[in-house]
Amino acid sequence: DSGVTQTPKHLITATGQRVTLRCSPRSGDLSVYWYQQSLDQGLQFLIQYYNGEERAKGNILERFSAQQFPDLHSELNLSSLELGDSALYFCASSVAEHLAFGGYTFGSGTRLTVV
Amino acid sequence: KNEVEQSPQNLTAQEGEFITINCSYSVGISALHWLQQHPGGGIVSLFMLSSGKKKHGRLIATINIQEKHSSLHITASHPRDSAVYICAVRSDTGNQFYFGTGTSLTVIP
Repeated sequence: DSGVTQTPKHLITATGQRVTLRCSPRSGDLSVYWYQQSLDQGLQFLIQYYNGEERAKGNILERFSAQQFPDLHSELNLSSLELGDSALYFCASSVAEHLAFGGYTFGSGTRLTVV
Repeated sequence: KNEVEQSPQNLTAQEGEFITINCSYSVGISALHWLQQHPGGGIVSLFMLSSGKKKHGRLIATINIQEKHSSLHITASHPRDSAVYICAVRSDTGNQFYFGTGTSLTVIP
């Protein structure tokens, strides 16, 4: 157990639907990162939050949104789902805002299948 | 063109061999990370580098900032090292992460 908890582990949903993925960071970590890993595009960075505020934004679609709550857990909302959104979604957490000052820990991922 | 290029894409080695995986990047970075992804999908952060060299057990990671190149070495490889190794960089603007496509390593007993 890495200390980063992601739920659910698996999710199957239909096109056009909306889902919410949840991440609880390791105790003491203030930063949360979201990544998408699909078969054809590899790992891609989506977004980072630090202590409740958005800090960096990557290739996140407008249909996707995220937030970090006061208790530091984070949610990634995916709407108007398309078949191409099927992927593994990872969350990672770290103590610092910038990874240059420390490493980070990954959760085990949520496997999303859109049918 | 990808901002991060890894080589080789696939690597098969006999147990005990010395292994090198290379990573080249084209952007200014604040840090470079080596990640390990096991067949079950879980990802582990192996190293974070901003300069020089780091060692952890049989794993060694080096980075040459001037040449924009990093290497991951595995000494005395073992079948449990079989995994995909991914190089990732954070841009020096702090706002972007770029990933290599990974090197799939298989160590045969």
